[in-house]
Amino acid sequence: EIVLTQSPATLSLSPGERATLSCGASQSVSSSYLAWYQQKPGLAPRLLIYDASSRATGIPDRFSGSGSGTDFTLTISRLEPEDFAVYYCQQYGSSLVTFGQGTKVEIK
Amino acid sequence: QVQLVESGGGVVQPGRSLRLSCAASGFTFSSYGMHWVRQAPGKGLEWVAVISYDGSNKYYADSVKGRFTISRDNSKNTLYLQMNSLRAEDTAVYYCAKSMRWLRAFDAFDIWGQGTMVTVSS
Repeated sequence: EIVLTQSPATLSLSPGERATLSCGASQSVSSSYLAWYQQKPGLAPRLLIYDASSRATGIPDRFSGSGSGTDFTLTISRLEPEDFAVYYCQQYGSSLVTFGQGTKVEIK
Repeated sequence: QVQLVESGGGVVQPGRSLRLSCAASGFTFSSYGMHWVRQAPGKGLEWVAVISYDGSNKYYADSVKGRFTISRDNSKNTLYLQMNSLRAEDTAVYYCAKSMRWLRAFDAFDIWGQGTMVTVSS
């Protein structure tokens, strides 16, 4: 099983600031099959990024993903009020899909 | 529009069974792998199981293997999760989710249902 470790657990930032979220894998993620999701309270997760760096349909270009192998990053270039939420990374390169434990982006 | 709607959740005693359903609409259900994902109260996401587009391949998380069974009826556009020998630690919101790309089982999840709550308690 590939274990995904997200850091930091909580990120306190102001609107307009840049957010950088990290996701580390215990072993290399095959073909960069890594996704990022956003989840707000009481709602289902929403796909933001797939294949490490491709934006999903309808996702604003302030969201970007990068990385390969065991180190991946989600960057939000300028935080909008609606971006404060919990973010999860997920790998789907093995037959045991796994999620990271999440990073909460909160208003400072 | 593309939609997934779960049903079947509720309160159940430990050791009992429950079957969840996920009704799909707005896309060719029989062409996509489908997943179940759960989220315990106040916790993160946990992948549960996947089934290939034609039902021929199924994989499970270790935490549910041997107790849960994923299945699908492509004629009814419906995904199922049969949950047996339920434990308190199975208490969670259960989401069904669609693999993003055609015919792929393991993929990012582009469509999620609203979730159904399962509470295992005596």
